[in-house]
Amino acid sequence: NAGVMQNPRHLVRRRGQEARLRCSPMKGHSHVYWYRQLPEEGLKFMVYLQKENIIDESGMPKERFSAEFPKEGPSILRIQQVVRGDSAAYFCASSLVDGANYGYTFGSGTRLTVV
Amino acid sequence: QQQVKQSPQSLIVQKGGISIINCAYENTAFDYFPWYQQFPGKGPALLIAIRPDVSEKKEGRFTISFNKSAKQFSLHIMDSQPGDSATYFCAARQGSNDYKLSFGAGTTVTVRA
Repeated sequence: NAGVMQNPRHLVRRRGQEARLRCSPMKGHSHVYWYRQLPEEGLKFMVYLQKENIIDESGMPKERFSAEFPKEGPSILRIQQVVRGDSAAYFCASSLVDGANYGYTFGSGTRLTVV
Repeated sequence: QQQVKQSPQSLIVQKGGISIINCAYENTAFDYFPWYQQFPGKGPALLIAIRPDVSEKKEGRFTISFNKSAKQFSLHIMDSQPGDSATYFCAARQGSNDYKLSFGAGTTVTVRA
């Protein structure tokens, strides 16, 4: 069981470029959650997806950020026209059923640095 | 707005000592309180969790104490070891149908040999 796989581990982008972060959930898991961790802060919920559906994107910034979890392939968190304030660690988690009662497993994260 | 307040930000303890991390919350709808351990370069991993119907839960050297009336809970690491050096996050979930966790800001624990 490879766990939740995120790539790349580190990503450097210049201001104005696009960042694409990928997350492959644990085998058999169909629920994916993205969290963002800013320096010196705890993780903040961004979005919850099931296959082909966005269930809750209440934590996503209204502009430049989008997420998808297609029928085939990994979940993608996309940040367009990155700014320095987007520099953070982005963590993906997955669960077998919705994470309410059983919690979920986090990946090792993608550290995004915007220069 | 931080829904879960965590302190201290960092602490240093000698090997064999006790590490204590405290968290406080305001939302009385929270009904599940997990603690996560995060090593550098890794994602958070669930360490131990408690529900508000119990006042204490122990797993090995890790104990959660929960005070419902004070809306506070704490993690105690007994006989701290250098391998316990990590960042610890408390978290809370609102309601049995909620999948979102509200995290504290984290405590970096350093255990000196």
